[in-house]
Amino acid sequence: QSALTQPPSVSGSPGQSVTISCTGTSSDVGSYNRVSWYQQPPGTAPKLMIYEVSYRPSGVPDRFSGSKSGNTASLTISGLQAEDEADYYCTLYTSSSTLLFGGGTKLTVL
Amino acid sequence: QLQLQESGPGLVKPSEALSLTCTVSGGSISRSTYYWGWIRQPPGKGLEWIATIYYSGSTYYNPSLKSRVTISVDTSKNQFSLKLRSVTAADTAVYYCARLETYYYYAMDVWGQGTTVTVSS
Repeated sequence: QSALTQPPSVSGSPGQSVTISCTGTSSDVGSYNRVSWYQQPPGTAPKLMIYEVSYRPSGVPDRFSGSKSGNTASLTISGLQAEDEADYYCTLYTSSSTLLFGGGTKLTVL
Repeated sequence: QLQLQESGPGLVKPSEALSLTCTVSGGSISRSTYYWGWIRQPPGKGLEWIATIYYSGSTYYNPSLKSRVTISVDTSKNQFSLKLRSVTAADTAVYYCARLETYYYYAMDVWGQGTTVTVSS
């Protein structure tokens, strides 16, 4: 199984919006909605931010949103804040009950 | 509140086996819809899923590591464990245990703080 493809880095200024993509294939991301996103500030454990493509767990700000088009899932962060600076990872729970991670994207808030 | 805590040696010699345990507190490891897994992160690199287990003993492995990995569960102790054999420097990483929720999320919603394992002689 191949890792999902994410851009290595994205950046934005406070108040702006950024979008992080997560590209798979028609056999994985394109076929299933079990895509989740995690935020990992430096030196900390990952935190679940989005599940099932577009749903937010309780306590996650609505500035974070998810979507999917074809073989690509996306995480959008609007109204960027300094505290959003972190690494972000997408994950897919496959039909074989295995997990695929994206390579991760470093978000820099300028 | 559910908490997960990894434990195990921080230093392992090359060619030996790495063994880690995750202790679950604040909830039962035997609840349905929850799987339990291990994920690792080499220094400066991304996350890699290693393996997942259900309390009944069903296991799922990353194909790239399957030949060297065993995941097990001890419901009496509310723990699950990882054994990685024949380690090399490439296995140096922070190892996380996590809960995989498979009713609503199909995602890992609770994580341990992680434990650093270094492979070196």
